[in-house]
Amino acid sequence: RKEVEQDPGPFNVPEGATVAFNCTYSNSASQSFFWYRQDCRKEPKLLMSVYSSGNEDGRFTAQLNRASQYISLLIRDSKLSDSATYLCVVNSGNTGKLIFGQGTTLQVKP
Amino acid sequence: GAVVSQHPSRVICKSGTSVKIECRSLDFQATTMFWYRQFPKQSLMLMATSNEGSKATYEQGVEKDKFLINHASLTLSTLTVTSAHPEDSSFYICSARDLRRGNPYNEQFFGPGTRLTVL
Repeated sequence: RKEVEQDPGPFNVPEGATVAFNCTYSNSASQSFFWYRQDCRKEPKLLMSVYSSGNEDGRFTAQLNRASQYISLLIRDSKLSDSATYLCVVNSGNTGKLIFGQGTTLQVKP
Repeated sequence: GAVVSQHPSRVICKSGTSVKIECRSLDFQATTMFWYRQFPKQSLMLMATSNEGSKATYEQGVEKDKFLINHASLTLSTLTVTSAHPEDSSFYICSARDLRRGNPYNEQFFGPGTRLTVL
């Protein structure tokens, strides 16, 4: 079983749609959680950290369920520029290492 | 702030040659840098953790004699792919931790990556 699992998609949605991505992780000792965005042939860029209480940044909302070891990302009012691969990332306990999910590809169509 | 650079951005080499990739933290000190590899349509896989002034810690399955890592200063880590072969062709990305910020969320900043093609 992978340490971080995501549905690879692709998710094809029209502009303005709301789309949700899910992620599960296996290490219950994980302490920090993130969503990164990666554009084709580029490095990953931090989209947002995920806090236990859930957090929102503009059109993006992230939630964490520690009991279920589940993380989600909701994107509202999708823009064409949101097209990218979204990586669920979990820190590996106390080692400081980040474990990346396979990524979920989003394609926003006009 | 928190900019990480990599050089070169792209390299094409013949099989059997060695390739050195540099990772620099430009505006902060990074006691720890991480090296990742990403094959097409796959996620980033951690290869090794590079600590300034000490030996790198390699992930299981990564050959330390093939992927030489040196972290001689707080702003520079190098990865040398020795005797490169076509199967080593990949996107190599480094990241660095900005410990100065006391970041409780373990944020890492990524370099732009180096695309290696071995012919």
